[in-house]
Amino acid sequence: GESVGLHLPTLSVQEGDNSIINCAYSNSASDYFIWYKQESGKGPQFIIDIRSNMDKRQGQRVTVLLNKTVKHLSLQIAATQPGDSAVYFCADRTPSGGSNYKLTFGKGTLLTVNP
Amino acid sequence: NAGVMQNPRHLVRRRGQEARLRCSPMKGHSHVYWYRQLPEEGLKFMVYLQKENIIDESGMPKERFSAEFPKEGPSILRIQQVVRGDSAAYFCASSPQQGEGYTFGSGTRLTVV
Repeated sequence: GESVGLHLPTLSVQEGDNSIINCAYSNSASDYFIWYKQESGKGPQFIIDIRSNMDKRQGQRVTVLLNKTVKHLSLQIAATQPGDSAVYFCADRTPSGGSNYKLTFGKGTLLTVNP
Repeated sequence: NAGVMQNPRHLVRRRGQEARLRCSPMKGHSHVYWYRQLPEEGLKFMVYLQKENIIDESGMPKERFSAEFPKEGPSILRIQQVVRGDSAAYFCASSPQQGEGYTFGSGTRLTVV
């Protein structure tokens, strides 16, 4: 089954507000997490990643927080813009035997930014 | 650097036909992954390949689906005798090393009629 899931399937915010998208994972062996943005008709686009030895990482207007105690991570988008409207996926990486890994995706959250 | 190239972008097949989806990884990437995405769902892992080798095919259906990544040329995902349930978007990703640096292509949207 899914090792990564999202709390909310949809999120609607006003332009300029901050957005927070949450994600839960179940596999304690997950050591690397990635957030992707997918616009309609396009492939997933890398936003930001974080390793399990960190609890926070910042990028341009985005911050990812990782709480390993409760197996939860979040993506914060500052000053959300209409161009941020998309589906956001979290993905976790787990060892899958030998030196191999598997990247597992959650179902996604649809973010809608209202002007 | 052209990124991960997938073609065709859209593919329509009748039930029972074969579908061949192609993926050219980014330059310098030797790891290729195929994922399937149903409408309003996340991406489901299908198969992971390196040049000439299938490393992990745990997500591939046992019948009708196969994948290859030859020494020369793109990776191919092949679906034989397609059925309506095969209709989905198929994404390919590549990475320079296993488990990191994934870059996704724009996908092939397969419609079975």
